[in-house]
Amino acid sequence: RKEVEQDPGPFNVPEGATVAFNCTYSNSASQSFFWYRQDCRKEPKLLMSVYSSGNEDGRFTAQLNRASQYISLLIRDSKLSDSATYLCVVTPDPNKLTFGTGTRLAVRP
Amino acid sequence: GAGVSQSPSNKVTEKGKDVELRCDPISGHTALYWYRQSLGQGLEFLIYFQGNSAPDKSGLPSDRFSAERTGGSVSTLTIQRTQQEDSAVYLCASTRGGYNEQFFGPGTRLTVL
Repeated sequence: RKEVEQDPGPFNVPEGATVAFNCTYSNSASQSFFWYRQDCRKEPKLLMSVYSSGNEDGRFTAQLNRASQYISLLIRDSKLSDSATYLCVVTPDPNKLTFGTGTRLAVRP
Repeated sequence: GAGVSQSPSNKVTEKGKDVELRCDPISGHTALYWYRQSLGQGLEFLIYFQGNSAPDKSGLPSDRFSAERTGGSVSTLTIQRTQQEDSAVYLCASTRGGYNEQFFGPGTRLTVL
């Protein structure tokens, strides 16, 4: 079983749609969780951290369920500029990030 | 700029040749990471440095791969006797350490013919 599993997509949605991505992780000792965004042929960049209480940043909401070892990212009112690959990231130890293979999002006009 | 830089941005080499990839981390970042990303794949962890030492080399695919870091700053990743399966984008990231955000460089796209 992979350490971090994501639905690869692609998710193809119209502008304005709400879309949700899920991620599961296998190491229950993981302490920190992140969503990174990677545009085509570019490096990954941090989108947001994920906290147990859930957190929101504008149109983006991240949730963590430690009991189920499950992380989600919700994007509301999708924009064309949201088209990218979204990488789920967990930290089984403080010095190592483990990346999922990513979920590709395509937002169409 | 103040970001992570990598060189070269692209490298085309022949099978069997050695290549050296360079990473300049953000000034003051103590931890440095190397990853590999093959086409359509996720990021594969290769090696991590804390200062000049590498506590975790577990991701290096074979003994053809080695890395060093000097002065707590610049790092080089060396691949000896390159093979076609080494073709990938090699990404470097730096962080202040611990659970802090990792900042990535633009990567080196390696093509082995």
